Amino acid sequence: KQEVTQIPAALSVPEGENLVLNCSFTDSAIYNLQWFRQDPGKGLTSLLLIQSSQREQTSGRLNASLDKSSGRSTLYIAASQPGDSATYLCAVRPLDYGGATNKLIFGTGTLLAVQP
Amino acid sequence: DGGITQSPKYLFRKEGQNVTLSCEQNLNHDAMYWYRQDPGQGLRLIYYSQIVNDFQKGDIAEGYSVSREKKESFPLTVTSAQKNPTAFYLCASSIWGDGYTFGSGTRLTVV
Repeated sequence: KQEVTQIPAALSVPEGENLVLNCSFTDSAIYNLQWFRQDPGKGLTSLLLIQSSQREQTSGRLNASLDKSSGRSTLYIAASQPGDSATYLCAVRPLDYGGATNKLIFGTGTLLAVQP
Repeated sequence: DGGITQSPKYLFRKEGQNVTLSCEQNLNHDAMYWYRQDPGQGLRLIYYSQIVNDFQKGDIAEGYSVSREKKESFPLTVTSAQKNPTAFYLCASSIWGDGYTFGSGTRLTVV
């Protein structure tokens, strides 16, 4: 059974610091992996989608990497800002019989606070 | 702008009452999903639909029902059989196999 873990559960950094959020998954048979941001009381905003054949994706100050063989993904945030404060969720889409399955498996998230 | 609209934002349910949460998308996505989010837990799949007039149970379907009469719409009914319905409900859509797009959520509270 696929399980997704995010460590740490909470992180506080001063503004301007570069930081890394970690996501690990137990089964390497995945179709893709997606990073989301969730602000308090709000829905999820997609940040980056990495297909299983890719090693990384970049968008602005965000860079996500994927190492399927070790079951790990990282989200790198450069030059953090107070507006980056949110919960960051990672989710994998498992493979089943060679095709994408019908659901995402989510981690419980990392709560990030960037102090001004 | 394309996106997913969930309504209402807040919903209050009395004991024994059925309530329906609305989800509409204009992204022309075939697949739609309902997730439930509880504090300290990851999102859990309630129901999903790959095409119109077809839907499948997810991990926690008991006490919920859905319909998919139109491609754009995937309403979720929380029935009186759901014993612990207080949660944040999120609707999502995707092109099959691609990334998900989520709505802004509905917070349901039992009063």
